[in-house]
Amino acid sequence: EDQVTQSPEALRLQEGESSSLNCSYTVSGLRGLFWYRQDPGKGPEFLFTLYSAGEEKEKERLKATLTKKESFLHITAPKPEDSATYLCAAYGLTGGGNKLTFGTGTQLKVEL
Amino acid sequence: NAGVTQTPKFQVLKTGQSMTLQCAQDMNHNSMYWYRQDPGMGLRLIYYSASEGTTDKGEVPNGYNVSRLNKREFSLRLESAAPSQTSVYFCASSEQLGQPQHFGDGTRLSIL
Repeated sequence: EDQVTQSPEALRLQEGESSSLNCSYTVSGLRGLFWYRQDPGKGPEFLFTLYSAGEEKEKERLKATLTKKESFLHITAPKPEDSATYLCAAYGLTGGGNKLTFGTGTQLKVEL
Repeated sequence: NAGVTQTPKFQVLKTGQSMTLQCAQDMNHNSMYWYRQDPGMGLRLIYYSASEGTTDKGEVPNGYNVSRLNKREFSLRLESAAPSQTSVYFCASSEQLGQPQHFGDGTRLSIL
C-alpha cells in the first residue's frame, strides 16, 4: 500500500530562520512527487512537481528536492506570509495506477 | 480567472437527506477529481474522471455517486447522507491523469 508521511506535524519558526520539511514516501513506481500549500479555509495550491531522484525546483524562498525515498521542502529566510500547511503527494502505479497519495501535512507558523 | 469553482461553500444536512455538490473548471482540463479532507487524515480520493465520459472509483467511493456532465463539470452526489460523511469536499482538475491538480476552495458539509 502506498504511504506518504510528513514530518514534523507542526513547525514554528522565527522570521528569517531557515528550515526543512520532510516527506517520506513508499510508492510503487513513482511517477511524480507533488508539493502543495494550503491556507486555512482554502483548497491546496500547487507548488512543485518532482519526477526523478536528484531533481530540484525553486520558487522564491522555497526549494524542493527529491531522493529515492524522501522529498524535502527547504524554506530559506521565511516570512510570516509563508505560514500555511504544506502537503506532499506521491503519484504511483499501485492498484492499476492513477492514484495520488497525500500526506497529512506540516503546519508551518512563521512569527515576527 | 476562476479556475475550479465549487458550490455550495457550506451545507448542513440531516441524516438520510440527499444532495449534489457541483464543480466546474474553466481550464479546459481533461481529468477531474473529488476528494474529502478530514482532520488528521490526508486528502482521500472519492471518485475521478480521466476524461469526459468516464468515471472511476477512488479510495473511498461508498455512499457517493458522480456524474461527468461535460468537459467542464463534475458533480458528486450523496444519496442518503450519514454523519460519517461530514467533511470538507474538494474538487480538482488536471490536464491529464498524473499532471498537477488544481483545487477549488471546498464545500464544508455537516450531517446531523
